Amino acid sequence: KNEVEQSPQNLTAQEGEFITINCSYSVGISALHWLQQHPGGGIVSLFMLSSGKKKHGRLIATINIQEKHSSLHITASHPRDSAVYICAPDSGGGADGLTFGKGTHLIIQP
Amino acid sequence: SQTIHQWPATLVQPVGSPLSLECTVEGTSNPNLYWYRQAAGRGLQLLFYSVGIGQISSEVPQNLSASRPQDRQFILSSKKLLLSDSGFYLCAWSVGLADGGELFFGEGSRLTVL
Repeated sequence: KNEVEQSPQNLTAQEGEFITINCSYSVGISALHWLQQHPGGGIVSLFMLSSGKKKHGRLIATINIQEKHSSLHITASHPRDSAVYICAPDSGGGADGLTFGKGTHLIIQP
Repeated sequence: SQTIHQWPATLVQPVGSPLSLECTVEGTSNPNLYWYRQAAGRGLQLLFYSVGIGQISSEVPQNLSASRPQDRQFILSSKKLLLSDSGFYLCAWSVGLADGGELFFGEGSRLTVL
């Protein structure tokens, strides 16, 4: 079973700050998902990556497969970025290969 | 485009009562379907997944059951709810998680058992 650690668990920052959320896992994976959970509970997939780096707007996700580590960065953060960010490494082999972190609760203050 | 609908959004039920949460997907065929539960302060836990009609895999022993009567319909049920069944339930679909497919989630159903 993949052990997933996200840090920090909670983060409060000011609007405009550069945000970094980290994810470490224990078992080799085929891909890693970053998800965003809105205050109402709905979840949106932000990224799915298996190597290197992906960028979408102000969001950047990186992964180092050898070090079993991924980061999610938010540039020029905005109050609408306030949400819970969840990392989910996929060790492959089907649905039960996906393990979810407990999430990082991010609050961006204006 | 593909969409996923899940209902009801909120449910308050007494202990011992039945449960039925429904999830439907539109705009795709033969999706993989999933039911997850998110308890307070914990990560998402996979409850059931299905790769086809009538094919259900259960991940944890529990008071719940799932059914897939149609290709794009996934139902989570219980005959008698327990207090411990309270939580936030999410339905999701993918076109092939084994191949690294992206997951798409419904809006969730918040269940409170009293």
